[in-house]
Amino acid sequence: EVQLLESGGGLVQPGGSLRLSCTASGFTFSSYAMSWVRQPPGKGLEWLLSISGSGGSTYYADSVKGRFTISRDNSENTLYLQMNSLRAEDTALYYCAKALYSYASAWYYFDSWGQGTLLTVSS
Amino acid sequence: DIQMTQSPSSLSTSVGDRVTITCRASQSISTSLNWYQHKPGKAPKLLIYAASSLRSGVPSRFSGTGSGTDFTLTISSLQPEDFATYYCQQRGTFGQGTKVEIK
Repeated sequence: EVQLLESGGGLVQPGGSLRLSCTASGFTFSSYAMSWVRQPPGKGLEWLLSISGSGGSTYYADSVKGRFTISRDNSENTLYLQMNSLRAEDTALYYCAKALYSYASAWYYFDSWGQGTLLTVSS
Repeated sequence: DIQMTQSPSSLSTSVGDRVTITCRASQSISTSLNWYQHKPGKAPKLLIYAASSLRSGVPSRFSGTGSGTDFTLTISSLQPEDFATYYCQQRGTFGQGTKVEIK
């Protein structure tokens, strides 16, 4: 059974930094792309970043480009999200998701998700 | 960027009803459209990929149709566990969501 467990959320002041982790089990981690998706309070889902199985390719939404970085440690089956220059509008529940590649769309869809970790950016 | 417009934003319905949710793309996306179910406090769940392919393990009362710009998610007979918010997704864009509530 695929399991994804996010951790590292908390309260951060504006301008601060935080690193989220996602520990994976139940599948061959290095064989799959992974992604981060967030949900601000009372709002919908927003895709943020994706990384290929090897870690050699990364993709970023414009809203986080230059501030957020996705990485992975395949030896530890762990996905990371480094967040810098945090803003109040980054307050959200952050999900990691296992991504499957669709050749038809040349993009990913998300077949397994964690339950999320909450980031609050506030002074 | 391609915009995705999902409707309705919410609907009130009863167990046993047929439910239809639509997602419209601002330009043709062929069949590159996926649907998810999300319940509060739970992980989102993939229902349909490539517009009409039912994910393994998802009940057959869920179905997806469409191609080009217009897509539909249908729940043929709503069950109590189906009350949730549903999202369409095209590449890096999710629809705004449709909240299915009990009437």
